[in-house]
Amino acid sequence: AQSVTQPDIHITVSEGASLELRCNYSYGATPYLFWYVQSPGQGLQLLLKYFSGDTLVQGIKGFEAEFKRSQSSFNLRKPSVHWSDAAEYFCALGGSQGNLIFGKGTKLSVKP
Amino acid sequence: DAMVIQNPRYQVTQFGKPVTLSCSQTLNHNVMYWYQQKSSQAPKLLFHYYDKDFNNEADTPDNFQSRRPNTSFCFLDIRSPGLGDAAMYLCATRGQGRQPQHFGDGTRLSIL
Repeated sequence: AQSVTQPDIHITVSEGASLELRCNYSYGATPYLFWYVQSPGQGLQLLLKYFSGDTLVQGIKGFEAEFKRSQSSFNLRKPSVHWSDAAEYFCALGGSQGNLIFGKGTKLSVKP
Repeated sequence: DAMVIQNPRYQVTQFGKPVTLSCSQTLNHNVMYWYQQKSSQAPKLLFHYYDKDFNNEADTPDNFQSRRPNTSFCFLDIRSPGLGDAAMYLCATRGQGRQPQHFGDGTRLSIL
C-alpha cells in the first residue's frame, strides 16, 4: 500500500535554530517524493522534489531533504529557521497514476 | 509568470444554493486537479482531468461536479452545498510524466 507518515503534528523551534521535519513513506518501487509548504490561507508551494539520483536534494528558501531508502524516509531540514518559515508542511508521495499521496502535515511554529 | 489562478479567493453562498469555483492556468499542463481541504487536514482529491478525460475519486459526493471546457480552464460546481462543504478548495496542474503538481492559492468557501 502507498502511504506517507508525518509523525509530528506540531513542532515549535526558536528562530535561528535548526529544523528537521520527519517523513516516512511506503511504496513498492522507486518513490517520487515532494515537500510542500502552506502558509495560512494560501495554496501549497513546492519546496523540493526527489525523483532519482543524488539523495540530498536542495530546495527553495534554504531547505534541503535527504532520501534514505533503507529507512523509507525523506526528512526535510533547514539549518537556521526564520520567523517567516512558520507554516504547515506536507510531505507527499507521487502515486503510480500521477496523483499525490499526502501525509497529514506538520505545523511549524517559530519562537522569537 | 506562468501560474495557476483561482477565482474568487473567498466565496460565500447559502445552504443549498449552487456555486461554481473557477481555475485557470497558463502552464499549458494537460492534467488538472481539484482538492478539498478542511482545517488542519491534508488536501483530499475530489477528481482530476487528464486532458478531457474526467476521473472521479470513488468517495467524491455526487453533489460535486466539474467541467473543463479547454486546456486552460477548469470549474468546480457544487450543486447543493451543505454546511459540511465549507472548506478550502485547491486547484492544481501537472505536466506530462511524473512531474510535481502546481497549486493555486485556493478558494475559501463559506456556507451560510
